Amino acid sequence: GQNIDQPTEMTATEGAIVQINCTYQTSGFNGLFWYQQHAGEAPTFLSYNVLDGLEEKGRFSSFLSRSKGYSYLLLKELQMKDSASYLCAVLPGSARQLTFGSGTQLTVLP
Amino acid sequence: AAGVIQSPRHLIKEKRETATLKCYPISRHDTVYWYQQGPGQDPQFLISFYEKMQSDKGSIPDRFSAQQFSDYHSELNMSSLELGDSALYFCASGERNTEAFFGQGTRLTVV
Repeated sequence: GQNIDQPTEMTATEGAIVQINCTYQTSGFNGLFWYQQHAGEAPTFLSYNVLDGLEEKGRFSSFLSRSKGYSYLLLKELQMKDSASYLCAVLPGSARQLTFGSGTQLTVLP
Repeated sequence: AAGVIQSPRHLIKEKRETATLKCYPISRHDTVYWYQQGPGQDPQFLISFYEKMQSDKGSIPDRFSAQQFSDYHSELNMSSLELGDSALYFCASGERNTEAFFGQGTRLTVV
């Protein structure tokens, strides 16, 4: 089966940097995605990693290590609007649909 | 460009009734996914279609069925509704093995 783990909750201060970790064990691997989801809204695509290394996109960066089954999402210069749930999702090798982790609820404090 | 469109946005049904949710994917996307998200839970994969053929099946109850039509829109049909079916239902579309773009979801409340 597929297993994706992320911390349930994190808290950080406005202007700070936060790193959200994700570990996964899947049968095959075709990429890892990070989504942001505000309560009651649709998940919004943030980043995609399929090769090892760091992908940077403005204030957000995502890192992948396939050998360790590990990824992290790095958020810099935190803003209040970054308070949301961050979902790690993996595209296993055998299937074409994303498998989601339970999400990390990030709260940004003033 | 237009995103994934879902209708209706909100739906209230009684137990044992039937509901139909509609999804209009982004143009040229060849894959449609349906997800169910309960309160405080992560999205759970239900079913997907690739080029209008059913592709993968997840934790979709036998009471639910889905299809994709020639114009690529998809419908999720839910029968004998139960209280536990109350959730957000997301449709997403994408190109094979790439990220999925989500619609705004349909909030189904079963009373």
